[in-house]
Amino acid sequence: EIVLTQSPVTLSLSPGERATLSCRASQSVLSSLAWYQQKPGQAPRLLIYDASNRATGVPARFSGSGSGTDFTLIISSLEPEDFAVYYCQQRFNWPTFGQGTRLEIK
Amino acid sequence: QVQLVESGGGVVQPGGSLRLSCAASGFSFSSFGMHWVRQAPGKGLEWVAVIWYDESNKYYGNSVKGRFTISRDNSRNTLFLQMDSLRAEDTAVYYCAKEHSQILGRVTYYFDSWGQGTLVTVSS
Repeated sequence: EIVLTQSPVTLSLSPGERATLSCRASQSVLSSLAWYQQKPGQAPRLLIYDASNRATGVPARFSGSGSGTDFTLIISSLEPEDFAVYYCQQRFNWPTFGQGTRLEIK
Repeated sequence: QVQLVESGGGVVQPGGSLRLSCAASGFSFSSFGMHWVRQAPGKGLEWVAVIWYDESNKYYGNSVKGRFTISRDNSRNTLFLQMDSLRAEDTAVYYCAKEHSQILGRVTYYFDSWGQGTLVTVSS
């Protein structure tokens, strides 16, 4: 099983700031990685797939990068609605998810 | 727009069975693979199972293999998950999720639409 490790566990920032979230895979997943956003009491929402492609309707302030074992999700300027939990997910070898990064308001 | 509505959750004793349903609308259900993904209370996400658009292929996560069965009824736009031999560690919110691929017969294992989830509690 491919293990995904996300860092940091919690990120405290203010609206307008830049957020950088990381995801590291236990082995190469090429570019087979997605990012999801989950707000309390809601289902996850697909943000990024294949490491860098924004899903339909996702604002341009969200961007993804990386390949192999190291991946990054960047939110260029935080809006109030962006504070949530973010998960990475790989599909290279049976889907697995990271443990999540909680993005909270500072 | 895509709508997925799960039902069938509840409280069940260890060793018991439960059948979840997911009613789909707003897209051509019979053209897409479908998944079940679960989330234990306060925990992360775990992929459970996938079924191809035509039921030609079904795959399961290791933790549910041999106990859970995924199926679908394309005439009723409905996805199912039959859960047998339930264990305490199966306690979770179960989400149905639509496959992201736009290509018939292809499954990417990305999930682009999700239902609101149904809670399954396995407890004596």
